Amino acid sequence: KAGVTQTPRYLIKTRGQQVTLSCSPISGHRSVSWYQQTPGQGLQFLFEYFSETQRNKGNFPGRFSGRQFSNSRSEMNVSTLELGDSALYLCASSTAGSGSGNTIYFGEGSWLTVV
Amino acid sequence: AQSVSQHNHHVILSEAASLELGCNYSYGGTVNLFWYVQYPGQHLQLLLKYFSGDPLVKGIKGFEAEFIKSKFSFNLRKPSVQWSDTAEYFCAVIVGGATNKLIFGTGTLLAVQP
Repeated sequence: KAGVTQTPRYLIKTRGQQVTLSCSPISGHRSVSWYQQTPGQGLQFLFEYFSETQRNKGNFPGRFSGRQFSNSRSEMNVSTLELGDSALYLCASSTAGSGSGNTIYFGEGSWLTVV
Repeated sequence: AQSVSQHNHHVILSEAASLELGCNYSYGGTVNLFWYVQYPGQHLQLLLKYFSGDPLVKGIKGFEAEFIKSKFSFNLRKPSVQWSDTAEYFCAVIVGGATNKLIFGTGTLLAVQP
């Protein structure tokens, strides 16, 4: 079956603009999480959704937001982009609502460059 | 705050050498532990995971890891590495229940020389 699909794969934005990234989880997966990966900070948790509800949020400013739809697809939005937002944004999905016993699968990510 | 430490940032080995990558976490309660690998240009893939039971966990591609609760450690091992093991390795933990939030270590870059 298809893996976690993220779109777009690559994008370039200008400072001050906003961006929306999309994630389609594996069929049947109701849990979706987002991570930011940068060379300096590594992999940092952004937020987690389960059945359209945000369950956890990382330590990112309010410019970072997300949502999950009834079909489990998720979007994240970053407003007023800054140069430091340049990163690989990863989406992960899982079947269950908690970590116990289930595998968390990652997508290939969306590469965002802010100029 | 919970954290994960990977003490080896860069490791260079020759083929057939043994590998051990260290991982320590800071949390006294129930944890679920993972090792992920990111090959050049590819997405994160799960190598192995520990939830409960036998503390020695075997994963894909000949990797294994041992959970030592008293040391808060989950070190990754492979008896004989191959050139194709060149990748970045991440240790991660889920703390508590009712969440899929992964806390990652900073990663270890492994380069295997043929």
